[in-house]
Amino acid sequence: EAEVAQSPRYKITEKSQAVAFWCDPISGHATLYWYRQILGQGLELLVQFQDESVVDDSQLPKDRFSAERLKGVDSTLKIQPAELGDSAMYLCASSFSGNTIYFGEGSWLTVV
Amino acid sequence: DAKTTQPPSMDCAEGRAANLPCNHSTISGNEYVYWYRQIHSQGPQYIIHGLKNNETNEMASLIITEDRKSSTLILPHATLRDTAVYYCIGHTGNQFYFGTGTSLTVIP
Repeated sequence: EAEVAQSPRYKITEKSQAVAFWCDPISGHATLYWYRQILGQGLELLVQFQDESVVDDSQLPKDRFSAERLKGVDSTLKIQPAELGDSAMYLCASSFSGNTIYFGEGSWLTVV
Repeated sequence: DAKTTQPPSMDCAEGRAANLPCNHSTISGNEYVYWYRQIHSQGPQYIIHGLKNNETNEMASLIITEDRKSSTLILPHATLRDTAVYYCIGHTGNQFYFGTGTSLTVIP
C-alpha cells in the first residue's frame, strides 16, 4: 500500500538553528498538507499545496517558517531560526483531490 | 466545514463494541463525515467516511442519523490496539479540521 514518506523521523536541534523536514506524498496526489501537533494538542494546518501552488498558508509563521513544493511532488518545510516553542510533531499528508487524506508517520522536533 | 462535537474520553472493555458519538448539527448537505484515529506518536489513520448512508468496512461501521446531525463510529470488537484518539470531521473538499477528538481507552 502506498504511503506518505517523511524524514527525518526524529530531530533534535538547538534554538536559533535551522531545521528542515521532507515529505514525499503518495504518487499522483496533487494536494499536500503540512500540519503541526504540539504534544497533547490537536492538529494545526500550517500550509496546503495544490500541485506546486500554495492554497492556504494563513497559519504558517512566515517570519521563520517556509514551505516549498517546487515540482509539485515532494515538499520541504523549513524553520529558521528554531525556537523552543517549535517543539512538536510535524505531519505531512496528501490527497488525490481534496478528499480522503493520508498521513505520514510524522517528524518529531525537539528544540533545546 | 461543519464544527463537530465529541466527548473528550471514553472507556470500552476489550472484546465489546465501542460506540463513539459525534455531533455535527451544522453540517451542510454536501459535507461528508470522516473518521480518523491517532495512535500515540503516530500520524492519523483514515478509518471511514460517509455522506448519508451507513457505511461499513474492515475497520468499522459508520451510522449517520437520517437528519445527518450526528453519527456514531462503531468498532465491533474493540482490542487493546484500538486505544487511540478518534477524530470526527465534516469535510467538503477544503481543509480537514481536526479538533481534540475522543480519547478511547480499551480496558483489558
